[in-house]
Amino acid sequence: DQQVKQNSPSLSVQEGRISILNCDYTNSMFDYFLWYKKYPAEGPTFLISISSIKDKNEDGRFTVFLNKSAKHLSLHIVPSQPGDSAVYFCAARSYYGGSQGNLIFGKGTKLSVKP
Amino acid sequence: DADVTQTPRNRITKTGKRIMLECSQTKGHDRMYWYRQDPGLGLRLIYYSFDVKDINKGEISDGYSVSRQAQAKFSLSLESAIPNQTALYFCATSDLGGDTQYFGPGTRLTVL
Repeated sequence: DQQVKQNSPSLSVQEGRISILNCDYTNSMFDYFLWYKKYPAEGPTFLISISSIKDKNEDGRFTVFLNKSAKHLSLHIVPSQPGDSAVYFCAARSYYGGSQGNLIFGKGTKLSVKP
Repeated sequence: DADVTQTPRNRITKTGKRIMLECSQTKGHDRMYWYRQDPGLGLRLIYYSFDVKDINKGEISDGYSVSRQAQAKFSLSLESAIPNQTALYFCATSDLGGDTQYFGPGTRLTVL
């Protein structure tokens, strides 16, 4: 059963516009959420995170929003740039049920930003 | 120099062969992880280690084994490779707090 879901395998956005990537989760015990970015032939790199005690975290062009009641988080990229084209993974952390704080990843969303 | 390195970067092997993938880190982190990525399936945890004497199975450990030779080194072995182990393999590290994991560049393994 998938605990972290990214229901959109791909997203295409025009340069300069907003990109919104979505992630849903099922486990209310998740206490920390992260977004990773992955370019082809490279490992994932950490982008931004948010604790479950917050509802927003911002870092430059990137903002993550957390809606705990809906078990939903989103990553906003404004303005989108061609260099943002990559696969974005949502991840969640839990210490519940012996998971020892390991991360659970979604399947990823491939973002394409067109010039 | 990269903080987390993986060798080899690419490997093609045959069914039944023993394969070892190696990971080294210079970040001084205690925790190390091995993940597998398949198309459309995201990253799945194979094994993880919180220190040299602590090894734990992840979500998909069957068919794999690991060795934590030192704080900085964590290797993944496929004792008898099979074609459905064809995938991208990533090593990652984190500090004791475990908030953020840092990934290596990956090893593309093909089992024929």
